[in-house]
Amino acid sequence: SQQGEEDPQALSIQEGENATMNCSYKTSINNLQWYRQNSGRGLVHLILIRSNEREKHSGRLRVTLDTSKKSSSLLITASRAADTASYFCATVWETSGSRLTFGEGTQLTVNP
Amino acid sequence: NAGVTQTPKFQVLKTGQSMTLQCAQDMNHNSMYWYRQDPGMGLRLIYYSASEGTTDKGEVPNGYNVSRLNKREFSLRLESAAPSQTSVYFCASSAFGTASFYGYTFGSGTRLTVV
Repeated sequence: SQQGEEDPQALSIQEGENATMNCSYKTSINNLQWYRQNSGRGLVHLILIRSNEREKHSGRLRVTLDTSKKSSSLLITASRAADTASYFCATVWETSGSRLTFGEGTQLTVNP
Repeated sequence: NAGVTQTPKFQVLKTGQSMTLQCAQDMNHNSMYWYRQDPGMGLRLIYYSASEGTTDKGEVPNGYNVSRLNKREFSLRLESAAPSQTSVYFCASSAFGTASFYGYTFGSGTRLTVV
């Protein structure tokens, strides 16, 4: 079964708006990562947040982690048409070594 | 360009045929992984190799075998393809112990159709 569940499954916004995607997971983790996948391409690592961190920034990306609620959010500010892609959260469990377990993804469409 | 290279990019098989998906990385990574991605779903781990000489089953290993040929190469074999194995297959790699810091590097995928 999938470890992560993402919400919403699909999101459509206008260029310049902010996009927020949420991820929930079930077991204790070492870290949580977000990946982007453009249509027909492989996944690209965006950002990683460790279990002892609450918030992390990278350019227009902001990730939060709430281990008490077993949830994370990815905020993309000032979105661009080029941000159109699927976004996946992935977790490294405390007991899984370096293996990643992926959620089902959020399809983000940014309209020009 | 440095990264993970997968071949072939596309393949159509008849039920019962066999084939091997190839994956090579040139980043001196220790760990390599095979995932499959089905429409509307995330990635599911088939097999992984934490280091050269070791392989382990992931979430969905049935119908597959793997070989870690050397540090660079990790192949996935379908011995008798079934329509349920129609999917996009991704290979990924990470430096040992650093997936928790830098994440994985993915290949561009192999789109496999079994008819």
